[in-house]
Amino acid sequence: EAGVTQFPSHSVIEKGQTVTLRCDPISGHDNLYWYRRVMGKEIKFLLHFVKESKQDESGMPNNRFLAERTGGTYSTLKVQPAELEDSGVYFCASSRPRDSFNEQFFGPGTRLTVL
Amino acid sequence: AQKITQTQPGMFVQEKEAVTLDCTYDTSDPSYGLFWYKQPSSGEMIFLIYQGSYDQQNATEGRYSLNFQKARKSANLVISASQLGDSAMYFCAMRGTNFGNEKLTFGTGTRLTIIP
Repeated sequence: EAGVTQFPSHSVIEKGQTVTLRCDPISGHDNLYWYRRVMGKEIKFLLHFVKESKQDESGMPNNRFLAERTGGTYSTLKVQPAELEDSGVYFCASSRPRDSFNEQFFGPGTRLTVL
Repeated sequence: AQKITQTQPGMFVQEKEAVTLDCTYDTSDPSYGLFWYKQPSSGEMIFLIYQGSYDQQNATEGRYSLNFQKARKSANLVISASQLGDSAMYFCAMRGTNFGNEKLTFGTGTRLTIIP
């Protein structure tokens, strides 16, 4: 079974530009999560989808970030306009419909650099 | 709110020795889960081990074991017989077990370097 995939692996953009990150979860995983790690700091939760619905978006830093999951399959995270502090690694994770363990499987991340 | 603290930014360990990576946590949730992830230089996050707060026994997975001390709120990862391939970043994480509270809260990580 294919793992969680993310595209692109790296993105370098200038301040003020727009970037869209994509995440394809493991097939059949209803739960999809976005996390971000800014350099030297902890990995922080951004939001959680259950199918196409946003279950928890308490970690979204501001309205420059927009996440979608149309049809409950892949998800996109758009940053518009990008700022310098948005640089970091963006991870996507997915998990099965909820059970007691609910392991989250992570993708390889997208490294975003805003110049 | 949940909080994870990893006080060791970096560790150097001789190959074949055992190593303990520290993790303490704080939460008001009565039920929670604790995780350890490994992030090698390639960047992916690899799940290592899980401990439920009501599990009676410490979790073990091959060379990995979790030293869970609930009263002290600690969940240290022990790697036995370390190997060169164990060099990586290690993250401790936790989540609640209530429905709707499934986000992981991570520590800042420990960079482990195994010396030949």
